[in-house]
Amino acid sequence: GAVVSQHPSRVICKSGTSVKIECRSLDFQATTMFWYRQFPKQSLMLMATSNEGSKATYEQGVEKDKFLINHASLTLSTLTVTSAHPEDSSFYICSADISGQGILGYTFGSGTRLTVV
Amino acid sequence: QKEVEQDPGPLSVPEGAIVSLNCTYSNSAFQYFMWYRQYSRKGPELLMYTYSSGNKEDGRFTAQVDKSSKYISLFIRDSQPSDSATYLCAITGSARQLTFGSGTQLTVLP
Repeated sequence: GAVVSQHPSRVICKSGTSVKIECRSLDFQATTMFWYRQFPKQSLMLMATSNEGSKATYEQGVEKDKFLINHASLTLSTLTVTSAHPEDSSFYICSADISGQGILGYTFGSGTRLTVV
Repeated sequence: QKEVEQDPGPLSVPEGAIVSLNCTYSNSAFQYFMWYRQYSRKGPELLMYTYSSGNKEDGRFTAQVDKSSKYISLFIRDSQPSDSATYLCAITGSARQLTFGSGTQLTVLP
């Protein structure tokens, strides 16, 4: 089946630094990728939708200048958390929308645990 | 009011028990109803999905949708310790953006 590879799985960074999270679709092309954030014991909250070759669409309340999303190719989307602060510590998950598979086409990465100290 | 409400749990049951997980939703335009299973520190994986009202069965799992009352359920029969995970309901409409419930943490005790 389709696999979405997300790296790193865990990262600890100092407050004020930037962190890049990569999400790759393996063996398929993903024109659309979704980025979610999940706080402990809470649900996945959609942060933004990225389409290959165009600017990402951010959900209300998500700072686009803080969470930079780049979807430069059909197999790679990146999320960069800029000037990270402890409140940005969370579990970040990407999801690829496999074209032509409808609802079954949503495939999630394994997530990145970000801890900002 | 949240678009999707899910019983938060946590839920702890003995092995072999029948588990019932539930969600309610507010938007009648929702068309697809999914259940995802998420193991600790992993991304969610699709367990079952249904379109419109009715039941769908897959092995020990049964998904049920009642659109008239905006209520969805997942039943797990003969629960196993390997079923221990967080279960998330998710709903979507024509926009294809998933709206998730808050998740129910299930522990099946051997």
